[in-house]
Amino acid sequence: EAQVTQNPRYLITVTGKKLTVTCSQNMNHEYMSWYRQDPGLGLRQIYYSMNVEVTDKGDVPEGYKVSRKEKRNFPLILESPSPNQTSLYFCASSLSTGGSGGYTFGSGTRLTVV
Amino acid sequence: KQEVTQIPAALSVPEGENLVLNCSFTDSAIYNLQWFRQDPGKGLTSLLLIQSSQREQTSGRLNASLDKSSGRSTLYIAASQPGDSATYLCAVRAAPPGGFKTIFGAGTRLFVKA
Repeated sequence: EAQVTQNPRYLITVTGKKLTVTCSQNMNHEYMSWYRQDPGLGLRQIYYSMNVEVTDKGDVPEGYKVSRKEKRNFPLILESPSPNQTSLYFCASSLSTGGSGGYTFGSGTRLTVV
Repeated sequence: KQEVTQIPAALSVPEGENLVLNCSFTDSAIYNLQWFRQDPGKGLTSLLLIQSSQREQTSGRLNASLDKSSGRSTLYIAASQPGDSATYLCAVRAAPPGGFKTIFGAGTRLFVKA
């Protein structure tokens, strides 16, 4: 089944403890992206990647890192999480940067930083 | 900077009514526009994708139109049902010179009364 898989689905962590949220897609998509969703602020793009080793900042990149060493994987790294990064995170992919085929979204990761 | 606005923010209609959701964007340099549905606490389900060269797309009771020059898209839902109750989001994939970001609207929360 074609899908975007995020792990974990739920995560509670403490301030300053490094964490990684994984994202993997099995559709050979070029474009991958991370979003956070907050009440009243909607979905905001954190980082995106147009292909292996090509990444760029979205609208809210501060406090996050990403890497794209393989086409299928696009992990989101929080080096020193803070409470204001408590949010619902989504990973998404599309066939190409031009948006062919549109986005497929993962099921989301609910992160709480205490 | 691309901005995406959805009107209305919330809508309550009786079952069986036809309805229109609106999405407007400020920069016509786009690759595509995609409509999603999101149920509370869940991920995003793609409904319709319109490439920038297209005028409309249809799927079942849903029809989406795109007028790139005026920066507008509409999602038409025919014969609404209680199961259509959800938040509907539109997303614009920017094209150069606007970069390759994807910008989401804040959504329209729809409630269909039985």
